Amino acid sequence: DAKTTQPPSMDCAEGRAANLPCNHSTISGNEYVYWYRQIHSQGPQYIIHGLKNNETNEMASLIITEDRKSSTLILPHATLRDTAVYYCIVRVDNSGYALNFGKGTSLLVTP
Amino acid sequence: GAVVSQHPSWVICKSGTSVKIECRSLDFQATTMFWYRQFPKQSLMLMATSNEGSKATYEQGVEKDKFLINHASLTLSTLTVTSAHPEDSSFYICSALKQGVTDTQYFGPGTRLTVL
Repeated sequence: DAKTTQPPSMDCAEGRAANLPCNHSTISGNEYVYWYRQIHSQGPQYIIHGLKNNETNEMASLIITEDRKSSTLILPHATLRDTAVYYCIVRVDNSGYALNFGKGTSLLVTP
Repeated sequence: GAVVSQHPSWVICKSGTSVKIECRSLDFQATTMFWYRQFPKQSLMLMATSNEGSKATYEQGVEKDKFLINHASLTLSTLTVTSAHPEDSSFYICSALKQGVTDTQYFGPGTRLTVL
């Protein structure tokens, strides 16, 4: 699976949009971009994933650049409960393989 | 989404005893489940891949005789830590693979194991 690079930490004011970047310059054509988050002392929570088109669901939006070498997870109106470690993971779909977690980005949402 | 449960959520045991952790997919069937371990301030580390009806596949450095995995049904996988020692104290997290148009892993809430 392609390696990803994320900033170790970010801050965001409550109510503002949180934009979390991820670089995956070695991504292959059949690899998807997955985003998960882990709130302290809980299991990871699935957020969203995509291949090349931008995706949106009730939690977030995923913007993937045209060359697919980077992506941005957008939380449109961050709340204190969004404080967590966010993981960007690239993986071939339908491979049956586990997700490999890097260090992620620790997002702190402040009042 | 999909729901994965784990039981117990936390357990304290004496050194030398065995502990069983259950992982259940509540609203979907999972041929494949995964077990991870997470030490404080570190990321999740994959321990093993569990496939229903067959032997688990363990990651390098994970002792298969110490961490026994059973995946006897499409909704249940168990991890048994045998002869637990204090260094086995960790946060154990399972996940289940939901297959569809694309595959998505859903995670349990985790089990905090403390070995005295």
